[in-house]
Amino acid sequence: GQNIDQPTEMTATEGAIVQINCTYQTSGFNGLFWYQQHAGEAPTFLSYNVLDGLEEKGRFSSFLSRSKGYSYLLLKELQMKDSASYLCAPMDSNYQLIWGAGTKLIIKP
Amino acid sequence: IAGITQAPTSQILAAGRRMTLRCTQDMRHNAMYWYRQDLGLGLRLIHYSNTAGTTGKGEVPDGYSVSRANTDDFPLTLASAVPSQTSVYFCASSPGTGSYNEQFFGPGTRLTVL
Repeated sequence: GQNIDQPTEMTATEGAIVQINCTYQTSGFNGLFWYQQHAGEAPTFLSYNVLDGLEEKGRFSSFLSRSKGYSYLLLKELQMKDSASYLCAPMDSNYQLIWGAGTKLIIKP
Repeated sequence: IAGITQAPTSQILAAGRRMTLRCTQDMRHNAMYWYRQDLGLGLRLIHYSNTAGTTGKGEVPDGYSVSRANTDDFPLTLASAVPSQTSVYFCASSPGTGSYNEQFFGPGTRLTVL
């Protein structure tokens, strides 16, 4: 079956760095997406990885290891507005996104 | 219209009633999707459409139907609502269906079935 595993909740301090991990098992693989979702709002796209390695985009970076079925999202210089849920979503062989339940990130001053 | 819109924003519905959730996008995207999101669970795909005139079943299609008469609109119908269909419903679209096709989401419809 298809399975996504990410921590339910994490807490970090404003200005710090946090890493959100995601492990996945899918039928085929066509890349992995990370989305951000603020409470009561729609998910918005953060990053996409299809090859192994690190993709950096400003304060956010995403890493992929296809052989390990593993990805992480790295958030630097945390701001209060980064308090949100972060959704890991690999794309399977049918080009469908398989969504994790999300990691709720709480930022404390 | 800018992007993707959904209506209504929220709805309380009596069990057994019929309900259509509307979704419209102005980005000329080929693919559209309906998801439901429940607390503690990931987004679950209900139905999808890879291009106008075609639809397909997702992970949880029972009790729902869709149509795709044109590129812009993708309505979701609950023929006879049941309390287990209480959820937040998101419509999304993407330019195509291959790898690296970012999905853009509408603001969601919060549906309560009593």
